[in-house]
Amino acid sequence: DSGVTQTPKHLITATGQRVTLRCSPRSGDLSVYWYQQSLDQGLQFLIHYYNGEERAKGNILERFSAQQFPDLHSELNLSSLELGDSALYFCASSVGSTTGELFFGEGSRLTVL
Amino acid sequence: QKEVEQDPGPLSVPEGAIVSLNCTYSNSAFQYFMWYRQYSRKGPELLMYTYSSGNKEDGRFTAQVDKSSKYISLFIRDSQPSDSATYLCAIMDTGRRALTFGSGTRLQVQP
Repeated sequence: DSGVTQTPKHLITATGQRVTLRCSPRSGDLSVYWYQQSLDQGLQFLIHYYNGEERAKGNILERFSAQQFPDLHSELNLSSLELGDSALYFCASSVGSTTGELFFGEGSRLTVL
Repeated sequence: QKEVEQDPGPLSVPEGAIVSLNCTYSNSAFQYFMWYRQYSRKGPELLMYTYSSGNKEDGRFTAQVDKSSKYISLFIRDSQPSDSATYLCAIMDTGRRALTFGSGTRLQVQP
């Protein structure tokens, strides 16, 4: 158990809908990262927050947004969903922001029908 | 060209074999080098982490970095069926504060 909690574990929704994925980092970790994993694209970096502030952005679509709250939990919002958004979404946390020692949650599996 | 290239495999070896997993990268700014292991339907977990060129050993695992060639390797000695998983190399660009992953190599160790 990495100590990172993600909910929901599974989500099935329709095209055009909006969903919110939630992540609680390990106790004491200030950084939260979001990654998308699909069969053809591998693990793709979406966005990184450190202590409530956005620190880095990767290949995140404009339809997607994220935030980190004062209690350090984070949410990833996905809107106007398309079939191609079906993937595993991972949250990871770390103490700092530069070393890459990330602790991953179990992921949220999103299926868009 | 992807920033981090990794042979996707699959790689199938008999129990007890020495396994060699490799990645190449293109950006000289990369500074931290990691190997993650991912079991099916689980999140990746950090196996090894190194900053400099050279070797780092941890039990049956050895990570090797050659910055001049932009090449990183993971060696697994005396491989076990429990080592069957996907192995992902990951490299940290401290400038962008982003961890870039290779596509992963799927390893199957046959008993």
